[in-house]
Amino acid sequence: DTGVSQDPRHKITKRGQNVTFRCDPISEHNRLYWYRQTLGQGPEFLTYFQNEAQLEKSRLLSDRFSAERPKGSFSTLEIQRTEQGDSAMYLCASSPITGITEAFFGQGTRLTVV
Amino acid sequence: QKEVEQNSGPLSVPEGAIASLNCTYSDRGSQSFFWYRQYSGKSPELIMSIYSNGDKEDGRFTAQLNKASQYVSLLIRDSQPSDSATYLCAVNTYNSGGSNYKLTFGKGTLLTVNP
Repeated sequence: DTGVSQDPRHKITKRGQNVTFRCDPISEHNRLYWYRQTLGQGPEFLTYFQNEAQLEKSRLLSDRFSAERPKGSFSTLEIQRTEQGDSAMYLCASSPITGITEAFFGQGTRLTVV
Repeated sequence: QKEVEQNSGPLSVPEGAIASLNCTYSDRGSQSFFWYRQYSGKSPELIMSIYSNGDKEDGRFTAQLNKASQYVSLLIRDSQPSDSATYLCAVNTYNSGGSNYKLTFGKGTLLTVNP
C-alpha cells in the first residue's frame, strides 16, 4: 500500500504532556498538509509544506504546535503542553507538485487529552 | 474569511433514489473543487474533482460546477446503503501570498440511504 501513512492511529495523553505524530506521504508527492477535525466539523487547515519548506501556517495554530518536514519526506506534528481542547482527529494529506491540489488523506491520528 | 458552506443535513433518501448534495463557496478565485466521502470514524476519501463549469460524471457520481453562482453539487444516482456517510465539499483557496495550494472544507452533509 503506497498511500499516506500516519502513526500512531490513536493517542491518549494527560493534559500538559507533549505528543508527536508522524506522517509519511505518498512517495512522489511534494506537498504535505496537516489538518485537524473535531466532531461535526470539516477538516480545519493547520499547515502545509512544499518539500521541506513550511509555506503556510494557520493563524489558528498556537505556539504550542510545531511541524517539521526535515528532508522533504516524512513530517512530524508536535503539540506541547496539551490541553483538553486539543482532542481531535489530526489528518495528514499529500498532493503532487502540479498545480492541481488533489490531496489524499492518511488514516488520521485520534488524540484524546484527559 | 473564505468559506465553504454545506447543508449539514441529515439528508435521508431511499435506496435507489438520487441523492443531491450542494455546496457554495465565497472565494471567486477558486479553481479546483473536490468532493470527499467520510465514513464515521474514518478519514476523508476523495471521490470526485471538477475544474470546469458543467458536469463531470464518474460511475454513479456526477459533480456539477457553476462558477458564476459559486456553486458545486454532487449527485449520487441509484443510492445504496453503503453510500451512507458524510460528504465534504472542498475548494482550493488563495492565501495572502497568492498561492492556492490549500483546501478549505465545508462542514459536510450527512447522507443516510435507507434500505
